[in-house]
Amino acid sequence: GAVVSQHPSWVICKSGTSVKIECRSLDFQATTMFWYRQFPKQSLMLMATSNEGSKATYEQGVEKDKFLINHASLTLSTLTVTSAHPEDSSFYICSARDRLAGEGTQYFGPGTRLTVL
Amino acid sequence: EDQVTQSPEALRLQEGESSSLNCSYTVSGLRGLFWYRQDPGKGPEFLFTLYSAGEEKEKERLKATLTKKESFLHITAPKPEDSATYLCAVQASGTYKYIFGTGTRLKVLA
Repeated sequence: GAVVSQHPSWVICKSGTSVKIECRSLDFQATTMFWYRQFPKQSLMLMATSNEGSKATYEQGVEKDKFLINHASLTLSTLTVTSAHPEDSSFYICSARDRLAGEGTQYFGPGTRLTVL
Repeated sequence: EDQVTQSPEALRLQEGESSSLNCSYTVSGLRGLFWYRQDPGKGPEFLFTLYSAGEEKEKERLKATLTKKESFLHITAPKPEDSATYLCAVQASGTYKYIFGTGTRLKVLA
C-alpha cells in the first residue's frame, strides 16, 4: 500500500521549453501533496505544498510563475517547470499524505531527473 | 526556529558491526518524527513514524527510538544491502510540512 508514482522518471529538454511532471497516488487519496527538489548529496528542499482543489502554497524563494502546480484530483498533482533553464536541472520528488490515515506520514515518489540543455 | 540535525554525516561499518544514527531536533510542538531510507537516484522509502517520547519501533535490523530532543536509528548486525542515506524529518504541530535533516550516508562493507 501507499504507492506514489511519478512520470516521467527522467527528461531532457532544451532551454526555454516547459516540462510537466506528474505525481500520482496509486492506492490512496491525497488531499495534500508536496513537491521537493534535491541537489546532489544534499537533503530534500520543500518547494511547495499542493492542496486538492485550491492554490498551492509556495516556500519562500520559490517562484510561483516558474514552477506551476496543479492538484486537479485526489490522486494527481502536476508540476510544470516553465521556460526551463540549465539552473533548473535537478532531481524533483513528490510526496503524498493519505487523507484517510489520520496522521502525517508522507509517501514519496521515485523522483524525476530533469536535465535542461 | 525549527531545526533538525543528523549525525554523523557519513558512517562506514563492517558487516555485522552494530551502530546508531542520531537525529536531534528543536521544534515548536512535535507532531511526528519520521525516518526514511534513500538509495541513490531514488525517492525516500518510508521506515518509521514516531509520535511521543519513549516510543520505539522495529523493522528487521532497524529500531527507532524517540526522546524529547532526539531520535536514534539503531542498526543491528548490518548487511551491505543496508547501505543508503538515512533521512530524518520532523513535523511541527499545526502543519503537515516536513523539516528534513541533511541525512547520514551509511556504507556497510562486506
